[in-house]
Amino acid sequence: DGGITQSPKYLFRKEGQNVTLSCEQNLNHDAMYWYRQDPGQGLRLIYYSQIVNDFQKGDIAEGYSVSREKKESFPLTVTSAQKNPTAFYLCASSIGPGTGVEQYFGPGTRLTVT
Amino acid sequence: AQSVSQHNHHVILSEAASLELGCNYSYGGTVNLFWYVQYPGQHLQLLLKYFSGDPLVKGIKGFEAEFIKSKFSFNLRKPSVQWSDTAEYFCAVQRGNKLVFGAGTILRVKS
Repeated sequence: DGGITQSPKYLFRKEGQNVTLSCEQNLNHDAMYWYRQDPGQGLRLIYYSQIVNDFQKGDIAEGYSVSREKKESFPLTVTSAQKNPTAFYLCASSIGPGTGVEQYFGPGTRLTVT
Repeated sequence: AQSVSQHNHHVILSEAASLELGCNYSYGGTVNLFWYVQYPGQHLQLLLKYFSGDPLVKGIKGFEAEFIKSKFSFNLRKPSVQWSDTAEYFCAVQRGNKLVFGAGTILRVKS
């Protein structure tokens, strides 16, 4: 059963702690993406990766970091520098980068920082 | 700033009513356009997409959208909604490697 998995579904952290969100895909897709979803703001792109060992900042990368050591994995670290980390985080993948390709989304991780 | 605008944040309809959700974008040139839907507790999934050709595109579950280039619009329509269409709907524009999303429209269908 192909798809994107994100774990955990809910995550709670204390302010000042870094936290890493997991994203795994078995679709054999080259490109992967991280979005943040806030009520009334839609989805905003944090980071994306077109290929293994390469990634680019999206529109709101400050306070976040990523790695892409394996094709199927694209973990996102929310650092203590992120001013408003509480949000719903969505991972996506596509067969390749560029235009004309559909992105497939995971179930999301809801992060709460207190 | 370049953006994607969805006109209504909340829409409430009765079953069998017709639906039209507005989407406008401010990018010039060639764009690829999408509507995604997020049902309660489910993954974001693709409803329909426009890349080129016939500006009236049909998607899943009886949804369709019309691309009007002169108006920079890509409105989503359904002739008769069902209770199961209750969800949040997102319009998105693809520019290069990136998808830019609108703020979303929450649709509630009353049975």
